[in-house]
Amino acid sequence: EAEVAQSPRYKITEKSQAVAFWCDPISGHATLYWYRQILGQGPELLVQFQDESVVDDSQLPKDRFSAERLKGVDSTLKIQPAELGDSAMYLCASSTRLVGKPHEQYFGPGTRLTVT
Amino acid sequence: AQTVTQSQPEMSVQEAETVTLSCTYDTSESDYYLFWYKQPPSRQMILVIRQEAYKQQNATENRFSVNFQKAAKSFSLKISDSQLGDAAMYFCASGTGTASKLTFGTGTRLQVTL
Repeated sequence: EAEVAQSPRYKITEKSQAVAFWCDPISGHATLYWYRQILGQGPELLVQFQDESVVDDSQLPKDRFSAERLKGVDSTLKIQPAELGDSAMYLCASSTRLVGKPHEQYFGPGTRLTVT
Repeated sequence: AQTVTQSQPEMSVQEAETVTLSCTYDTSESDYYLFWYKQPPSRQMILVIRQEAYKQQNATENRFSVNFQKAAKSFSLKISDSQLGDAAMYFCASGTGTASKLTFGTGTRLQVTL
């Protein structure tokens, strides 16, 4: 069964360093999501792509976070510079394009980021 | 804006017994959907069950069923014949018809004991 791939699975970085996460959605899924999940909380949407276009980045801290999906397939989420409060699990999810209907999102295993 | 509230941080159930996880939500949308997702330890989140708000009939998926009370904005998950593999974090989520963005609750950690 096709799965969403994410790498790395774990990342430890020092404060003020740059860090990047990669996501490869299920083939054919037009919609891609990046979520941040702080320990003990539910996932919170950071950015949503439809193909290569951003459709929602209202919760993305744009002073330090950036996301791209250049060819409408895989995606990269970058943090520069990392702060202690960025320690969290970063989840990627993908879904098919269905008009006007929230459809099932398939999640990857996540990248656990620790900022020291 | 949508909000989802899960008031039970942890629940415990004995194997083969039934447990109900609670969820309340608030939304100004008339067209919305509700979901329960399961997140096992160190594994990816998977969809357990979904409910369209316009449907009165409660959704069921094998041992999993929901009690959807639209007027009370309540959406509880019932797990029957609990199994050890059901141990996980369970998240309630809502999504609207005009955008596929999901809003998640804070989760309920379910323990299954022998």
